[in-house]
Amino acid sequence: GAVVSQHPSRVICKSGTSVKIECRSLDFQATTMFWYRQFPKQSLMLMATSNEGSKATYEQGVEKDKFLINHASLTLSTLTVTSAHPEDSSFYICSATRGGAGGISYEQYFGPGTRLTVT
Amino acid sequence: DAKTTQPPSMDCAEGRAANLPCNHSTISGNEYVYWYRQIHSQGPQYIIHGLKNNETNEMASLIITEDRKSSTLILPHATLRDTAVYYCIVRVVSGGSNYKLTFGKGTLLTVNP
Repeated sequence: GAVVSQHPSRVICKSGTSVKIECRSLDFQATTMFWYRQFPKQSLMLMATSNEGSKATYEQGVEKDKFLINHASLTLSTLTVTSAHPEDSSFYICSATRGGAGGISYEQYFGPGTRLTVT
Repeated sequence: DAKTTQPPSMDCAEGRAANLPCNHSTISGNEYVYWYRQIHSQGPQYIIHGLKNNETNEMASLIITEDRKSSTLILPHATLRDTAVYYCIVRVVSGGSNYKLTFGKGTLLTVNP
């Protein structure tokens, strides 16, 4: 159990276009999903936290108008990179957690990642 | 969340135990120790977590010192497929939606044949 998928796994787009990445929890309901970005030879950096049905919370320095996050259902979150530029080329990874009542924090389950290349 | 310190890299022979250390000297009483690993170009994979007791599952064992200021992840019989970056993370398990993980640089474990 606890499988998270991402689509697409790889995408190449031209500078100035927008790209949408999907993150799905396949066998559980994800109350909270996270989006990370990872540049080569660096660690994962959290971009934003999204809870189903509410606006995402962005980390400091992440442009919310550029990285649009939608978490419309308990199994799907999307990240749209708007007006992409070469510096947005990165490995984007989502994760999902079931959360829980009483403050119990469940493990985060990560998707396989999406490699974005902007030319 | 408390900060962790890990060696940047380690080597291990295939079939031998891999012991990965982590220092978390500023850990608070309500913070858990989590371990994840990331194989090249993949998403991180959860390994194990614990509060103060030693823990074991099918993947690894987690040994936490009595003062909780450090821990060791043990892979009992390392294989080539265990080559990955291993992240030690401490985090509060609290109410609300504060479930986020803060990744440090981790330890690159290389298992050699």
